[in-house]
Amino acid sequence: DAGVIQSPRHEVTEMGQEVTLRCKPISGHDYLFWYRQTMMRGLELLIYFNNNVPIDDSGMPEDRFSAKMPNASFSTLKIQPSEPRDSAVYFCASSLYGTEMNYGYTFGSGTRLTVV
Amino acid sequence: GENVEQHPSTLSVQEGDSAVIKCTYSDSASNYFPWYKQELGKGPQLIIDIRSNVGEKKDQRIAVTLNKTAKHFSLHITETQPEDSAVYFCAASMGSGGGADGLTFGKGTHLIIQP
Repeated sequence: DAGVIQSPRHEVTEMGQEVTLRCKPISGHDYLFWYRQTMMRGLELLIYFNNNVPIDDSGMPEDRFSAKMPNASFSTLKIQPSEPRDSAVYFCASSLYGTEMNYGYTFGSGTRLTVV
Repeated sequence: GENVEQHPSTLSVQEGDSAVIKCTYSDSASNYFPWYKQELGKGPQLIIDIRSNVGEKKDQRIAVTLNKTAKHFSLHITETQPEDSAVYFCAASMGSGGGADGLTFGKGTHLIIQP
């Protein structure tokens, strides 16, 4: 398996523009998580899905952030409009719950977002 | 919600020596405690984990201990090597592992192995 795939790896955008981050989880995993990483706040959970259904979005900072998972192999995180304080590395992770084989998360390589 | 504190923020050790990173958690309901290693430009990678029904777990040079009463857990790396240099994160969850609940992470420890 190619692991969790995120795109793009880097995104530079102007304040006010819409940004869409993409994630392809590991095939067969039933949980998908979006995290944001900054120096000040570390790794913060934004939202997570179970079987494509959003379970907890309490970490989404504002209404400007939205996430979708239309099917088991694809998820998006959208910021509209973007602001400079949204600059961070955004990680997607997936996991398979309830087996002895794999409890831990597998993270993607992240998307480094810079809003200027 | 859960709060995870991690210390130290930076740790420098001589190659071959041991390194210990400590974390505390706030929610006694947490029952799963993984450790992740993050190298520059990459996502965190799971290196070892422990569940609340176990006090200690070891995998080659890496070991983790858990004290449920005191609500703290530690990562021990013995015979450190240059490739151990990275940022290490502890985390806690009320799920049985990757599911049922999101992980709450500590702020990370930058481990530097001096040659």
